[in-house]
Amino acid sequence: DAKTTQPPSMDCAEGRAANLPCNHSTISGNEYVYWYRQIHSQGPQYIIHGLKNNETNEMASLIITEDRKSSTLILPHATLRDTAVYYCIVEGFGNEKLTFGTGTRLTIIP
Amino acid sequence: GAVVSQHPSRVICKSGTSVKIECRSLDFQATTMFWYRQFPKQSLMLMATSNEGSKATYEQGVEKDKFLINHASLTLSTLTVTSAHPEDSSFYICSARGLAGRSSYNEQFFGPGTRLTVL
Repeated sequence: DAKTTQPPSMDCAEGRAANLPCNHSTISGNEYVYWYRQIHSQGPQYIIHGLKNNETNEMASLIITEDRKSSTLILPHATLRDTAVYYCIVEGFGNEKLTFGTGTRLTIIP
Repeated sequence: GAVVSQHPSRVICKSGTSVKIECRSLDFQATTMFWYRQFPKQSLMLMATSNEGSKATYEQGVEKDKFLINHASLTLSTLTVTSAHPEDSSFYICSARGLAGRSSYNEQFFGPGTRLTVL
Protein backbone atom coordinates (compact mmCIF):
# COMPACT_ATOMS: atom_id res chain seq x y z
CA ASP A 1 0.00 0.00 0.00
CA ALA A 2 1.30 3.41 -0.98
CA LYS A 3 2.02 5.70 1.93
CA THR A 4 1.78 8.84 -0.20
CA THR A 5 -0.46 10.20 -2.92
CA GLN A 6 0.75 12.75 -5.45
CA PRO A 7 -0.78 14.20 -8.61
CA PRO A 8 0.75 12.48 -11.65
CA SER A 9 1.72 15.70 -13.40
CA MET A 10 1.86 19.48 -13.03
CA ASP A 11 2.96 22.44 -15.11
CA CYS A 12 4.47 25.64 -13.80
CA ALA A 13 5.60 28.80 -15.58
CA GLU A 14 9.27 29.61 -15.43
CA GLY A 15 10.05 32.08 -12.67
CA ARG A 16 6.91 31.31 -10.71
CA ALA A 17 6.69 29.27 -7.52
CA ALA A 18 6.00 25.59 -8.04
CA ASN A 19 3.86 24.05 -5.31
CA LEU A 20 3.83 20.26 -5.27
CA PRO A 21 1.30 18.62 -2.94
CA CYS A 22 1.56 15.28 -1.21
CA ASN A 23 -1.00 13.45 0.88
CA HIS A 24 0.17 11.09 3.60
CA SER A 25 -2.90 10.62 5.75
CA THR A 26 -1.63 7.44 7.44
CA ILE A 27 1.70 8.89 8.52
CA SER A 28 2.71 7.82 12.01
CA GLY A 29 4.40 9.86 14.68
CA ASN A 30 7.96 8.80 14.03
CA GLU A 31 7.84 9.01 10.25
CA TYR A 32 9.56 11.73 8.29
CA VAL A 33 8.56 13.25 4.97
CA TYR A 34 11.33 13.20 2.36
CA TRP A 35 11.39 14.75 -1.06
CA TYR A 36 13.62 13.59 -3.90
CA ARG A 37 13.56 14.46 -7.56
CA GLN A 38 14.75 12.63 -10.65
CA ILE A 39 15.73 14.44 -13.79
CA HIS A 40 15.34 12.33 -16.90
CA SER A 41 17.80 9.41 -17.10
CA GLN A 42 19.65 10.43 -13.94
CA GLY A 43 19.71 9.15 -10.37
CA PRO A 44 17.39 10.78 -7.82
CA GLN A 45 18.53 13.86 -5.96
CA TYR A 46 17.70 14.63 -2.34
CA ILE A 47 15.80 17.89 -1.88
CA ILE A 48 14.58 18.25 1.68
CA HIS A 49 13.00 16.41 4.59
CA GLY A 50 10.93 17.24 7.67
CA LEU A 51 9.10 15.80 10.62
CA LYS A 52 6.52 18.37 11.71
CA ASN A 53 8.07 21.81 11.43
CA ASN A 54 8.34 23.67 8.15
CA GLU A 55 11.79 23.43 6.62
CA THR A 56 13.73 25.53 4.14
CA ASN A 57 17.04 25.04 2.41
CA GLU A 58 18.79 26.41 -0.64
CA MET A 59 16.67 24.30 -2.97
CA ALA A 60 13.16 24.40 -1.58
CA SER A 61 10.74 24.83 1.28
CA LEU A 62 8.66 22.10 2.86
CA ILE A 63 5.35 22.98 4.45
CA ILE A 64 3.80 20.26 6.62
CA THR A 65 0.24 20.66 7.88
CA GLU A 66 -0.36 20.68 11.60
CA ASP A 67 -2.01 17.25 11.51
CA ARG A 68 0.91 16.01 9.32
CA LYS A 69 -1.48 14.37 6.89
CA SER A 70 -0.24 16.38 3.95
CA SER A 71 2.67 18.51 2.86
CA THR A 72 3.71 20.83 0.05
CA LEU A 73 7.08 21.20 -1.55
CA ILE A 74 7.71 24.72 -2.79
CA LEU A 75 10.28 25.63 -5.41
CA PRO A 76 10.24 29.42 -5.03
CA HIS A 77 11.43 30.47 -8.49
CA ALA A 78 11.17 27.57 -10.87
CA THR A 79 13.64 27.28 -13.73
CA LEU A 80 13.67 24.99 -16.75
CA ARG A 81 16.22 22.82 -14.95
CA ASP A 82 13.61 22.01 -12.31
CA THR A 83 11.69 19.89 -14.82
CA ALA A 84 11.77 16.43 -13.23
CA VAL A 85 9.75 13.78 -11.44
CA TYR A 86 9.33 14.71 -7.78
CA TYR A 87 8.90 11.96 -5.21
CA CYS A 88 7.35 12.44 -1.78
CA ILE A 89 8.42 9.62 0.54
CA VAL A 90 7.35 8.82 4.08
CA GLU A 91 9.70 6.65 6.11
CA GLY A 92 10.48 6.11 9.74
CA PHE A 93 13.56 7.51 11.38
CA GLY A 94 16.17 4.79 11.32
CA ASN A 95 14.40 2.87 8.58
CA GLU A 96 17.03 2.54 5.92
CA LYS A 97 14.77 1.94 2.97
CA LEU A 98 13.22 4.58 0.76
CA THR A 99 10.08 3.41 -1.02
CA PHE A 100 9.46 5.41 -4.17
CA GLY A 101 5.90 5.93 -5.37
CA THR A 102 4.92 7.19 -8.80
CA GLY A 103 5.75 10.83 -8.07
CA THR A 104 4.69 14.03 -9.81
CA ARG A 105 6.09 14.90 -13.21
CA LEU A 106 6.71 18.66 -13.02
CA THR A 107 7.18 20.49 -16.29
CA ILE A 108 8.44 24.06 -16.22
CA ILE A 109 7.02 26.04 -19.12
CA PRO A 110 9.19 28.81 -20.65
CA GLY B 1 27.03 17.04 -1.54
CA ALA B 2 28.44 13.54 -1.38
CA VAL B 3 29.25 11.92 -4.72
CA VAL B 4 28.37 8.44 -5.86
CA SER B 5 29.60 7.14 -9.19
CA GLN B 6 28.54 4.17 -11.29
CA HIS B 7 30.40 2.35 -14.01
CA PRO B 8 29.61 1.74 -16.75
CA SER B 9 26.96 4.33 -17.54
CA ARG B 10 25.72 2.25 -20.43
CA VAL B 11 26.21 -1.37 -21.40
CA ILE B 12 24.88 -3.54 -24.19
CA CYS B 13 25.37 -7.28 -23.93
CA LYS B 14 24.23 -10.48 -25.55
CA SER B 15 21.64 -12.71 -23.95
CA GLY B 16 23.22 -15.26 -21.62
CA THR B 17 26.22 -13.20 -20.67
CA SER B 18 26.95 -11.64 -17.28
CA VAL B 19 27.34 -7.95 -16.62
CA LYS B 20 28.99 -6.28 -13.63
CA ILE B 21 28.03 -2.78 -12.50
CA GLU B 22 30.16 -0.89 -10.00
CA CYS B 23 28.94 1.66 -7.49
CA ARG B 24 31.46 3.83 -5.65
CA SER B 25 31.13 6.45 -2.95
CA LEU B 26 33.85 8.92 -3.84
CA ASP B 27 34.16 11.16 -0.82
CA PHE B 28 32.60 9.27 2.06
CA GLN B 29 32.39 5.82 3.53
CA ALA B 30 29.13 4.11 2.73
CA THR B 31 28.01 1.79 5.47
CA THR B 32 24.98 0.80 3.42
CA MET B 33 24.41 0.69 -0.30
CA PHE B 34 21.17 0.10 -2.12
CA TRP B 35 20.44 -1.20 -5.61
CA TYR B 36 17.34 -0.11 -7.50
CA ARG B 37 15.92 -0.99 -10.88
CA GLN B 38 13.77 1.31 -12.98
CA PHE B 39 11.84 0.28 -16.07
CA PRO B 40 10.74 2.93 -18.59
CA LYS B 41 8.06 5.29 -17.30
CA GLN B 42 8.02 3.52 -13.94
CA SER B 43 9.30 4.38 -10.49
CA LEU B 44 12.40 3.04 -8.81
CA MET B 45 12.05 -0.41 -7.29
CA LEU B 46 14.43 -1.42 -4.53
CA MET B 47 16.19 -4.68 -5.35
CA ALA B 48 18.50 -5.18 -2.41
CA THR B 49 20.30 -3.59 0.51
CA SER B 50 23.93 -4.33 1.16
CA ASN B 51 26.06 -3.63 4.17
CA GLU B 52 29.82 -3.74 4.00
CA GLY B 53 31.19 -7.15 4.84
CA SER B 54 27.87 -8.94 5.06
CA LYS B 55 25.42 -10.60 2.71
CA ALA B 56 22.93 -8.47 0.88
CA THR B 57 19.27 -8.45 1.83
CA TYR B 58 17.08 -8.92 -1.21
CA GLU B 59 13.55 -7.63 -1.66
CA GLN B 60 10.77 -10.09 -2.26
CA GLY B 61 10.73 -11.36 -5.82
CA VAL B 62 14.36 -10.51 -6.58
CA GLU B 63 16.47 -13.56 -7.37
CA LYS B 64 19.63 -13.44 -5.32
CA ASP B 65 21.38 -15.99 -7.55
CA LYS B 66 20.70 -13.90 -10.61
CA PHE B 67 21.60 -10.51 -9.14
CA LEU B 68 24.83 -11.01 -7.23
CA ILE B 69 25.77 -8.17 -4.92
CA ASN B 70 29.16 -7.73 -3.32
CA HIS B 71 29.92 -4.92 -0.89
CA ALA B 72 33.58 -5.60 -0.31
CA SER B 73 34.60 -2.23 1.04
CA LEU B 74 33.09 0.91 2.48
CA THR B 75 33.38 2.64 -0.88
CA LEU B 76 32.50 -0.05 -3.39
CA SER B 77 29.53 -2.26 -4.12
CA THR B 78 29.04 -4.32 -7.26
CA LEU B 79 25.94 -5.77 -8.88
CA THR B 80 26.42 -8.64 -11.30
CA VAL B 81 23.53 -9.58 -13.52
CA THR B 82 24.19 -13.21 -14.36
CA SER B 83 22.92 -14.89 -17.52
CA ALA B 84 21.23 -11.70 -18.60
CA HIS B 85 18.08 -11.85 -20.71
CA PRO B 86 16.24 -9.12 -22.62
CA GLU B 87 13.74 -8.73 -19.77
CA ASP B 88 16.65 -7.66 -17.54
CA SER B 89 17.11 -4.59 -19.70
CA SER B 90 16.56 -1.68 -17.37
CA PHE B 91 18.06 1.36 -15.66
CA TYR B 92 20.01 0.21 -12.60
CA ILE B 93 20.69 2.81 -9.92
CA CYS B 94 22.70 2.51 -6.75
CA SER B 95 22.61 4.71 -3.69
CA ALA B 96 24.78 5.00 -0.64
CA ARG B 97 24.17 6.04 2.90
CA GLY B 98 26.88 6.85 5.35
CA LEU B 99 28.47 9.37 7.60
CA ALA B 100 28.76 12.23 5.11
CA GLY B 101 28.35 15.00 7.64
CA ARG B 102 24.67 15.44 6.93
CA SER B 103 22.07 15.54 9.62
CA SER B 104 19.48 13.52 7.76
CA TYR B 105 19.66 9.95 8.89
CA ASN B 106 17.87 8.69 5.85
CA GLU B 107 19.56 10.82 3.22
CA GLN B 108 20.75 8.62 0.43
CA PHE B 109 23.12 9.74 -2.28
CA PHE B 110 22.31 8.28 -5.65
CA GLY B 111 24.56 7.32 -8.50
CA PRO B 112 23.84 8.46 -12.05
CA GLY B 113 22.54 5.06 -13.09
CA THR B 114 23.56 2.36 -15.56
CA ARG B 115 21.44 1.61 -18.56
CA LEU B 116 21.60 -2.08 -19.41
CA THR B 117 20.38 -3.35 -22.75
CA VAL B 118 20.35 -7.10 -23.32
CA LEU B 119 20.05 -8.17 -26.94
